[in-house]
Amino acid sequence: GIQVEQSPPDLILQEGANSTLRCNFSDSVNNLQWFHQNPWGQLINLFYIPSGTKQNGRLSATTVATERYSLLYISSSQTTDSGVYFCAVDLISSGSARQLTFGSGTQLTVLP
Amino acid sequence: NAGVTQTPKFRVLKTGQSMTLLCAQDMNHEYMYWYRQDPGMGLRLIHYSVGEGTTAKGEVPDGYNVSRLKKQNFLLGLESAAPSQTSVYFCATLSGTQYFGPGTRLLVL
Repeated sequence: GIQVEQSPPDLILQEGANSTLRCNFSDSVNNLQWFHQNPWGQLINLFYIPSGTKQNGRLSATTVATERYSLLYISSSQTTDSGVYFCAVDLISSGSARQLTFGSGTQLTVLP
Repeated sequence: NAGVTQTPKFRVLKTGQSMTLLCAQDMNHEYMYWYRQDPGMGLRLIHYSVGEGTTAKGEVPDGYNVSRLKKQNFLLGLESAAPSQTSVYFCATLSGTQYFGPGTRLLVL
C-alpha cells in the first residue's frame, strides 16, 4: 500500500516562531488533507489540497503532486497551535472506494 | 447540525465482553469510516461503508464487525473484547474533506 511519511516527528517552538511540516507519499494520490488533533483529541480538517497552495490565516499548505510531497506552514505560532498534525492521502485507483491513509503525525508543542 | 456524534464517550470492558459503538451523522454523507488510534500513532482504518447497506474491510478489521442499516448510522461491534483493542476509536464521514466524531476511549482489562 501507499506509504505516508511525516517529518519531523516532534517539534518544539517558542511562541511567535514559524515552522514547516512535511508530508511525503509514495504514490500518485487523488487528494491530500491536513488535520490538526488538539490536546483534547479532537480532529479538525485544516486543508483539502490535492495540488497547489492554499492559505487560511496563519496557516498555509502547498502540495506538489508530481514530486509527491506536501508542506504545512505555520507562521507566528501560538500555544493553541499545539497538538498533532496529520496528513492523509487517498489513492488514484479506479473502481475502489475512497480510503485515506494517514501519516504518523508531527507532535507540535508551542511554548509561551 | 451536530455533525458526527459518537456514543459512548468512554467505556471499560473486561476481556471477552462485547459492546457496540454507535456513530451518527446528520450531513447526509454516503461514506462513513471507523478508525482506531493508538498512542503515538496515526489513524488506522478498521471498516468503512460507501452507502446504506454496504460495508467493507479496512487495514485492521480482525475482531470487529460493522453494520450500516441506515444511512445516518454506522455501528462498530466488538464480539469478544481483547486488551489489544484498548484504543481510541474515531468515526468519520467523507464528502471531499473528512469529518471526524469526538472519539470513544475504550479500555479493555
